[in-house]
Amino acid sequence: EVHLLESGGGLVQPGGSLRLSCSASGFIFSSYTMSWVRQVPGKGLEWVSGITGSGGITYYAESVKGRFTISRDNSQNTLHLQMNSLRVEDMATYFCAKTRVGFSDWGQGTMVTVAS
Amino acid sequence: EIVMTQSPATLSVSPGERATLSCRASQSVSSNLAWYQQRPGQAPRLLIYGASTRATGIPARFSGSGSGTEFTLTITSLQSEDFAVYYCQQYHNWPPITFGQGTRLEI
Repeated sequence: EVHLLESGGGLVQPGGSLRLSCSASGFIFSSYTMSWVRQVPGKGLEWVSGITGSGGITYYAESVKGRFTISRDNSQNTLHLQMNSLRVEDMATYFCAKTRVGFSDWGQGTMVTVAS
Repeated sequence: EIVMTQSPATLSVSPGERATLSCRASQSVSSNLAWYQQRPGQAPRLLIYGASTRATGIPARFSGSGSGTEFTLTITSLQSEDFAVYYCQQYHNWPPITFGQGTRLEI
């Protein structure tokens, strides 16, 4: 059974940084593209970033390009999202998702609050 | 960027009835279209991929159709657990992957 568990969310001031992690199990992690998707409370879903199985290619939404960095450690079955220069509009629940044809499996999400 | 537009924003139906949700893409996405269900307080769940293929464990009352720019999610014999928000998403031309704004299915 696929299991994805996010961690690292919390309260940060505008301009601050956070590093999210997603621990994966139940599948061959290195074989899958992984993504981060976020959701502002009460709003819709927004794809944030993706990374290929090898980690060799990364993708970003324009809204986070240059501020967020996605990475993965296939030896530890872990996905990361380094978030710098955080803005109030980055406040959301961040989900990691196994990506193939669509997002087949999701974690439960970790909440990021950006406020002074 | 491909813009996904869902209609209606809210759909009111009764248990046992049929619900039809629509999704339109601003340009062709071929059949690279997925549908998700999100219940309150939960992560989204993949229902349909490839426009019409049910994901593992999804009941047969959920069906998807369409290709190109027009897509439909049909839910027959609505059950109480089906009342949720539904999102369509294209993965034809990314980045970025884009979602529709969602349709709330309510009693």
